[in-house]
Amino acid sequence: NAGVTQTPKFQVLKTGQSMTLQCAQDMNHEYMSWYRQDPGMGLRLIHYSVGAGITDQGEVPNGYNVSRSTTEDFPLRLLSAAPSQTSVYFCATHKGSGTQETQYFGPGTRLLVL
Amino acid sequence: AQSVAQPEDQVNVAEGNPLTVKCTYSVSGNPYLFWYVQYPNRGLQFLLKYITGDNLVKGSYGFEAEFNKSQTSFHLKKPSALVSDSALYFCAVRDPNDYKLSFGAGTTVTVRA
Repeated sequence: NAGVTQTPKFQVLKTGQSMTLQCAQDMNHEYMSWYRQDPGMGLRLIHYSVGAGITDQGEVPNGYNVSRSTTEDFPLRLLSAAPSQTSVYFCATHKGSGTQETQYFGPGTRLLVL
Repeated sequence: AQSVAQPEDQVNVAEGNPLTVKCTYSVSGNPYLFWYVQYPNRGLQFLLKYITGDNLVKGSYGFEAEFNKSQTSFHLKKPSALVSDSALYFCAVRDPNDYKLSFGAGTTVTVRA
């Protein structure tokens, strides 16, 4: 059971390049989400999905696309990278409800856009 | 809209002293509240949560937090801090009817030997 995995761990892009951040989970959790972490701003929700085929925007969705074709995978796409997208990106899954609920975070992808 | 405030960017304590990290929240209805810890170059680790019931919640690594509805606070506490508790701590809140978490800006805790 690998939990939540993210690839790559670190990436350098030039402005205007595109890339996909991968997120995979083997826990069969329906809810998945992407956050970005910036100094002094905590984590901010980019996009989320409540199940395969269903995605929605979070707090800071501009410049990012997502899709959810399977329960296991939730890739985050940057179509045209900008320096403002330099950040650390975390994927998370959600399990259960009420007192049984837990969120699991991946190890993160550190992205530098030059 | 829901939000979280962590009024202190940094907290410095001596090892063995009590540690408190403050958090206040704003949410419509009854909140679900969480604390996470992040060590350097690592992901977030869950510490504890308040969903319902006893206002004093006990979590991992000897941490606890007290839910205070009248003050809309959820402060994290540890009676005796360790150097290994030095990390970045995040408070988070969500509406029970929504899965989206809102995080505070984080508080860096430094415990000196």
